[in-house]
Amino acid sequence: KNQVEQSPQSLIILEGKNCTLQCNYTVSPFSNLRWYKQDTGRGPVSLTIMTFSENTKSNGRYTATLDADTKQSSLHITASQLSDSASYICVVSAPGAGSYQLTFGKGTKLSVIP
Amino acid sequence: KAGVTQTPRYLIKTRGQQVTLSCSPISGHRSVSWYQQTPGQGLQFLFEYFSETQRNKGNFPGRFSGRQFSNSRSEMNVSTLELGDSALYLCASGPGLAGEREQFFGPGTRLTVL
Repeated sequence: KNQVEQSPQSLIILEGKNCTLQCNYTVSPFSNLRWYKQDTGRGPVSLTIMTFSENTKSNGRYTATLDADTKQSSLHITASQLSDSASYICVVSAPGAGSYQLTFGKGTKLSVIP
Repeated sequence: KAGVTQTPRYLIKTRGQQVTLSCSPISGHRSVSWYQQTPGQGLQFLFEYFSETQRNKGNFPGRFSGRQFSNSRSEMNVSTLELGDSALYLCASGPGLAGEREQFFGPGTRLTVL
């Protein structure tokens, strides 16, 4: 069964500090992996999308890495800001018959405090 | 470009009723996918439409249905509402299939079933 596990479930950090969120998956075959940021009460916003051949991808202070051999991804946030407080969701896409299957992690809830 | 819009934003219904939610995708996007989000289960895929054809369906009962119109706007319908249907319903649009290309989420419709 395809699964996406994220850790930690929740995290509290001080403003200005760095943090790393983890995503492990068992999805196979693999098409791409996405990280989304979701503010409370709003829809998710895409941060990065990586294919099998990409090891790292950055979007401002957000850097995602992918190790397709170990089926692990991480999202590193540099110099955190209060506005980074949100849930971060890892999603893995697998090709299927004429379409794709998306498997969602349950997210990491990040709280950045002053 | 205007983002994905969903109407209504909030809805309160009673058990046994039915409900229709609407999603207007970003102009030019032909894919619309629907998701249910609850605190316990996280994001779960409902179905995806591309050029008026259902391309993929998640593991939800037949009470959940959808359709897409020629202008790419989409509706989803839930019949015989149950308490467990209370959730945030999100739609996302994209230029390609949801599992293949980046998707852009709307703000969601918060459904409460009493």
